[in-house]
Amino acid sequence: LAKTTQPISMDSYEGQEVNITCSHNNIATNDYITWYQQFPSQGPRFIIQGYKTKVTNEVASLFIPADRKSSTLSLPRVSLSDTAVYYCLVGGFFSGGYNKLIFGAGTRLAVHP
Amino acid sequence: GAVVSQHPSRVICKSGTSVKIECRSLDFQATTMFWYRQFPKKSLMLMATSNEGSKATYEQGVEKDKFLINHASLTLSTLTVTSAHPEDSSFYICSASPAGGAAQYFGPGTRLTVL
Repeated sequence: LAKTTQPISMDSYEGQEVNITCSHNNIATNDYITWYQQFPSQGPRFIIQGYKTKVTNEVASLFIPADRKSSTLSLPRVSLSDTAVYYCLVGGFFSGGYNKLIFGAGTRLAVHP
Repeated sequence: GAVVSQHPSRVICKSGTSVKIECRSLDFQATTMFWYRQFPKKSLMLMATSNEGSKATYEQGVEKDKFLINHASLTLSTLTVTSAHPEDSSFYICSASPAGGAAQYFGPGTRLTVL
């Protein structure tokens, strides 16, 4: 299972763009990259997933370079409610299900007024 | 879509009793579900992989006789904490993935407090 490394914490201000980078040097060919957001006493919430290049949805963008050894989650114009822990995970996808995910420490994002 | 529920959301029990936690995929079928536990200010720790119709696969260091997992249908997995002790107090979270899907979706979690 690929190990991920993220910054332990980040600070930002309302309205700014936040980029959180995750390194996963040992990513396997069939691994997807998935980002989750977690608030205290809640289960992780799916944000975005990608395999390569760039993926964008209504809440975030995910940038993945060609070698796939890292990825960057981009949150546009953060608000106070984006204060949470963000987890980057890599895992395989196999027919009929999804491979187990091993959580790292995550990045604790604090958004200030 | 892809909603996972857990019940109960919070439970308090006496030491020595058993507690059952349910995990349901509400709008999809899941042949595989996962159980995690999380201590305050810590990351999620995978406990076991629950496979429909077969035995669960436990991670190293997790006692299978203490944490009984039953995945009786494609939409339900249960975790039973047997003979609970205060050190079992934790936040338990399950996840599931739609068959053929590429993402896991997590339940809201169950807060277990053992007195």
